[in-house]
Amino acid sequence: LAKTTQPISMDSYEGQEVNITCSHNNIATNDYITWYQQFPSQGPRFIIQGYKTKVTNEVASLFIPADRKSSTLSLPRVSLSDTAVYYCLVGENTPLVFGKGTRLSVIA
Amino acid sequence: DAGVTQSPTHLIKTRGQQVTLRCSPKSGHDTVSWYQQALGQGPQFIFQYYEEEERQRGNFPDRFSGHQYPNYSSELNVNALLLGDSALYLCASSIGLAGRGGQETQYFGPGTRLLVL
Repeated sequence: LAKTTQPISMDSYEGQEVNITCSHNNIATNDYITWYQQFPSQGPRFIIQGYKTKVTNEVASLFIPADRKSSTLSLPRVSLSDTAVYYCLVGENTPLVFGKGTRLSVIA
Repeated sequence: DAGVTQSPTHLIKTRGQQVTLRCSPKSGHDTVSWYQQALGQGPQFIFQYYEEEERQRGNFPDRFSGHQYPNYSSELNVNALLLGDSALYLCASSIGLAGRGGQETQYFGPGTRLLVL
């Protein structure tokens, strides 16, 4: 399974756009890129999934370059409630393999 | 529509004891996966149940066992508890087995926080 590398933590002010980049140099042809969000004392929650180029939903956008060796989760205009740990996962099907994630702190 | 539910929410046990954690999947889901999340770490896959059988297993000892009932609910059993078993235990549900392309979206419950003294 492809290993991922993402920043341990990030800080942002409310209203800013936040971009979290994940490196996955050994991604395989059939692997998808999935992001989960986890609040304290809760289970992770699916945010977005993509295979290539750009995916957008009501919560976030996911940018994947042509070589697929990295991906960027973009959160538009973050609020205090976006403070959480964000996990980048790469793989095909199950099981889900989580790293340590990126702890995002949104400051007022 | 109820999401994934887990019980109990918190549990305190002593070393050597046994524990059973319970999970009810999201309505319409038939597959249950269990994860262990130590403090400051990401969740680690324990095993997955589908059609009342263990289908995949992570790198966990045989002290960790499970069961799935005909109504798709599931139990996680841990025997001979160690201090290192203290963690948040997460249950996730999904539909069917892998093979449909892409990582299947799993819906997680709030977890059971286990403390072993």
